[in-house]
Amino acid sequence: EVQLVESGGGLVQPGGSLRLSCAASGFTFSRSWMHWVRQAPGKGLVWVARINSDGFSTSYADSVKDRFIISRDNAKNTLYVQMNSLGVEDTGMYYCARQESGIIAMDVWGQGTTVTVAS
Amino acid sequence: QSALTQPASVSGSPGQSITISCTGSNNDVGGYNYVSWYHQHPGKAPKLLIYDVTNRPSGVSPRFSGSKSGNTASLTISGLQADDEGDYYCCSYTTKSTRVFGSGTTVTVL
Repeated sequence: EVQLVESGGGLVQPGGSLRLSCAASGFTFSRSWMHWVRQAPGKGLVWVARINSDGFSTSYADSVKDRFIISRDNAKNTLYVQMNSLGVEDTGMYYCARQESGIIAMDVWGQGTTVTVAS
Repeated sequence: QSALTQPASVSGSPGQSITISCTGSNNDVGGYNYVSWYHQHPGKAPKLLIYDVTNRPSGVSPRFSGSKSGNTASLTISGLQADDEGDYYCCSYTTKSTRVFGSGTTVTVL
């Protein structure tokens, strides 16, 4: 079964840092591009970042550029996002999603992990 | 990057057809045939419905169809069913090699 499982969410103070992980299984992780997408409580989906299959190409939303770093370990089938200088506006559910080779869309999603930035 | 513009809500009766629009610019929707659509039930992860403007992944009902004209993409749901309720989002590739989602549309089956 193709599956993505996020972890690492929690409560963090403003200005703090957090690293989220996304464990992939059931498919060839090293061939897929991967994304992080977030959703503030009661709000819409917001694209955060993307990494290509070998990890050498990344792109970010302007709102997280220079604060977040997306990375991957293909040997461990795991995607990461290091989030620094967190603000209350970063609060929300964070989803990882797969972009299968050959399509420009997110075809498999995890169930998400919740990040709360509050003092 | 501002969110693509979608109507806040659309409703229809069972069996009817509805269409959700998604308006962007030449830098995203109008510039590429890389628009995708997602359905999200409350408290659940989004599900891919349409990719590359018109293509349906395996397992997605043919009741869902996509199209594009200029800077506006559209999702049509035909034969509306109760389980079609929820939030719908479009998403486009952009000139910066990023992605941008739409503002979201809540579909209600009357």
